[in-house]
Amino acid sequence: DQQVKQNSPSLSVQEGRISILNCDYTNSMFDYFLWYKKYPAEGPTFLISISSIKDKNEDGRFTVFLNKSAKHLSLHIVPSQPGDSAVYFCAARPTGTASKLTFGTGTRLQVTL
Amino acid sequence: ETGVTQTPRHLVMGMTNKKSLKCEQHLGHNAMYWYKQSAKKPLELMFVYNFKEQTENNSVPSRFSPECPNSSHLFLHLHTLQPEDSALYLCASSQPSGANVLTFGAGSRLTVL
Repeated sequence: DQQVKQNSPSLSVQEGRISILNCDYTNSMFDYFLWYKKYPAEGPTFLISISSIKDKNEDGRFTVFLNKSAKHLSLHIVPSQPGDSAVYFCAARPTGTASKLTFGTGTRLQVTL
Repeated sequence: ETGVTQTPRHLVMGMTNKKSLKCEQHLGHNAMYWYKQSAKKPLELMFVYNFKEQTENNSVPSRFSPECPNSSHLFLHLHTLQPEDSALYLCASSQPSGANVLTFGAGSRLTVL
């Protein structure tokens, strides 16, 4: 049973527009959430995170929103750039288990010119 | 070198072969991880080592045998694998507690014939 779900395998957005990537989770014990970005032939790289005590965290063009009641988080990229084209993974960690990250299946973002 | 380095990047082996994957990190981290990424599946945690001690074995078959001689090096010994073990094997490192941001290597692409 997948505890972290990214239901959109792919997303195409025009350069300059907003990209919104979604992630749902089922485990109420998750208290820390992360987004990773992966380019082909490279490992995933950390992008942004959010603690369950917050509902928003912003870093430049990237903002993560957390809706605990809906068990939903989203990553907003504004404005989208061609270099943002990559696979984005959502990950979550349960309370008290710093080592156990559970990942989603990823969403492939294509930013077109 | 900096970051997390994995070798080999690509490996093809028969079901009766014995091979090893190697991971090295130069980040001063004390936790190291093996993840498996199969097509269209989430990254699956396999093993976790904290300060050279194995702290997590996620029900991994014994044909995968990890070894962590020190905090900077991690191996995955492979023996009598099955074709369904073909996947991308990712090594990661982090500090063992706190925000637990993993730094990943580029992965070793394994094909079992």
